[in-house]
Amino acid sequence: DTGVSQDPRHKITKRGQNVTFRCDPISEHNRLYWYRQTLGQGPEFLTYFQNEAQLEKSRLLSDRFSAERPKGSFSTLEIQRTEQGDSAMYLCASSYREKAYEQYFGPGTRLTVT
Amino acid sequence: QKEVEQDPGPLSVPEGAIVSLNCTYSNSAFQYFMWYRQYSRKGPELLMYTYSSGNKEDGRFTAQVDKSSKYISLFIRDSQPSDSATYLCAMQIDTGTASKLTFGTGTRLQVTL
Repeated sequence: DTGVSQDPRHKITKRGQNVTFRCDPISEHNRLYWYRQTLGQGPEFLTYFQNEAQLEKSRLLSDRFSAERPKGSFSTLEIQRTEQGDSAMYLCASSYREKAYEQYFGPGTRLTVT
Repeated sequence: QKEVEQDPGPLSVPEGAIVSLNCTYSNSAFQYFMWYRQYSRKGPELLMYTYSSGNKEDGRFTAQVDKSSKYISLFIRDSQPSDSATYLCAMQIDTGTASKLTFGTGTRLQVTL
């Protein structure tokens, strides 16, 4: 069990550019979650997938954000036309459906928008 | 008002001390209560979870939930410098479609030699 992995670990981009992050969950887990964490705050829920279906999206997930999990394995999170307010740590987590309270997090992707 | 409140600290204790970390919450629908540890610039690491009220012990860590007061605690015995991190409480409602965790802001703990 290699745990949840995320790529890249760091991303610096200019305002207005598009960025895409990847998450590989723990292989047996059918649920995958995305959270965002800013400095001094706890993670905030963005969205989650059960297998390939996106079942819930937070109001934090504006139209510029899109997430996919095409084959029920890895997931991507894309941010279009980045803004400075998008600078944050983007965290991915995974769990079994039956144990949604037991979520295991990856190391995160730190995004800096200049 | 946030659903989950947590004192951000920092909390500084000497090595070997007993540490008490706490969260309060407002949503009575929360049934699962988790504690995560997060080192600087790393992802949160699940320490333990508790369902409904009661205590749970795992090594040097003890989690307590008091649903009547909407108050949860994490105790760390014999604290070590390696325990220095931010501790996040998280909560979840208990339904078949439950998904998101609602986190506190985290308490930064420093254990000194």
